[in-house]
Amino acid sequence: EIVLTQSPGTLSLSPGERATLSCRASQSVSGSYLAWYQQRPGQAPRLLIYDASSRATGIPDRFSGSGSGTDFTLTISGLEPEDFAVYYCQQYGSSPLTFGGGTKVEIK
Amino acid sequence: EVQLLESGGGFIQPGGSLRLSCAASGFTFSNYAMSWVRQAPGKGLEWVSTIHGPGSGTYYPASVRGRFTISRDNSKNTLYLQMNSLRAEDTALYYCAKDRSVWYSRGFDVWGQGTMVTVSS
Repeated sequence: EIVLTQSPGTLSLSPGERATLSCRASQSVSGSYLAWYQQRPGQAPRLLIYDASSRATGIPDRFSGSGSGTDFTLTISGLEPEDFAVYYCQQYGSSPLTFGGGTKVEIK
Repeated sequence: EVQLLESGGGFIQPGGSLRLSCAASGFTFSNYAMSWVRQAPGKGLEWVSTIHGPGSGTYYPASVRGRFTISRDNSKNTLYLQMNSLRAEDTALYYCAKDRSVWYSRGFDVWGQGTMVTVSS
């Protein structure tokens, strides 16, 4: 089973700042089959990025994903008020599908 | 509009059974794999099961294999999760999620709002 470790656990930033979230896998993620999701309080998760770097439909271009192998990054280039939420990475390159523990982006 | 609407959650005693349903609309249901993902209160996301678009293949993690069964009725645009031998650790909000691919998972691009399952004596 691939274990995904997200860091930091909490990121305290101000609106307009750049956020950099990390997701590290315990072994290489096949095909860079990694996704990022955003979850706001009381809401279902929303797909942001798939295949490590492809933006999902309707996702603003301030969200970008990068990485391969075992190290992946989600970058939010300038935080908007609605971006303060919890972010999860997920690998779907091998079974079982696994999620990281999440990074909370909070207002500083 | 693409929508997923879960139902069937509730309060159940340990060892009991429950069947969840997910009604899909706004897309060609049979063209996409579908999954269940759960989230225990205050915790992260956990994959529960996936089924291919035609319904020919199913997948489970070890934590639910042998107890949970995923199925679908493409004529009714509905996904199901039969949960048997329920345990306290199965307590969670259960989300239905649409996959980007017809076969195995390539990311979940549509999610329902979830149905809560509470297992307690």
